Amino acid sequence: GDSVTQMEGPVTLSEEAFLTINCTYTATGYPSLFWYVQYPGEGLQLLLKATKADDKGSNKGFEATYRKETTSFHLEKGSVQVSDSAVYFCALSAVMNRDDKIIFGKGTRLHILP
Amino acid sequence: DSGVTQTPKHLITATGQRVTLRCSPRSGDLSVYWYQQSLDQGLQFLIHYYNGEERAKGNILERFSAQQFPDLHSELNLSSLELGDSALYFCASSGGPGRNYGYTFGSGTRLTVV
Repeated sequence: GDSVTQMEGPVTLSEEAFLTINCTYTATGYPSLFWYVQYPGEGLQLLLKATKADDKGSNKGFEATYRKETTSFHLEKGSVQVSDSAVYFCALSAVMNRDDKIIFGKGTRLHILP
Repeated sequence: DSGVTQTPKHLITATGQRVTLRCSPRSGDLSVYWYQQSLDQGLQFLIHYYNGEERAKGNILERFSAQQFPDLHSELNLSSLELGDSALYFCASSGGPGRNYGYTFGSGTRLTVV
């Protein structure tokens, strides 16, 4: 079935470091891909999305490119801040019984040190 | 505030009991999705309702049931509770197909079964 695999955390970086969180997927058809972020005590927030191959999603300095050839959607940010500390989830839309649902990876916890 | 309201925020109950979790979707959204988040299983899709009708079921136990009412709010009923049911339960809503819109999540209900 459809699935998402993302790098295990926690990932610890210093402020202003470059961030990459790897995400690969398995899916039939052509799913949309998402990154969600969860801050402590809160629900998930949509960070960015891409709906077709070669699309680049971007928001708040984060970027991810939909790579069909490598079935990947890696999250990147050029200079992280302490406020970026959170759990990041890669996700894809999947079609089940003609209905779409979003399948999430297990999440990657990010710690940014001042 | 995401616009998706979940109540209660916290719930502590004993094994064997029954609880009801409530979700009000964002204004205008017809779709409601329920997810269970636990440390070992990650985010698991439970069920999707669209305008009062069940559209898709995921890994939802027979002890669990849900419905969506004419005013579009939804309730998730958990019965014969076990210790392993302790988790965060999230509701999400969407104004259209998840693949195009993504989901908007509530802040969750933390269920503790003792």
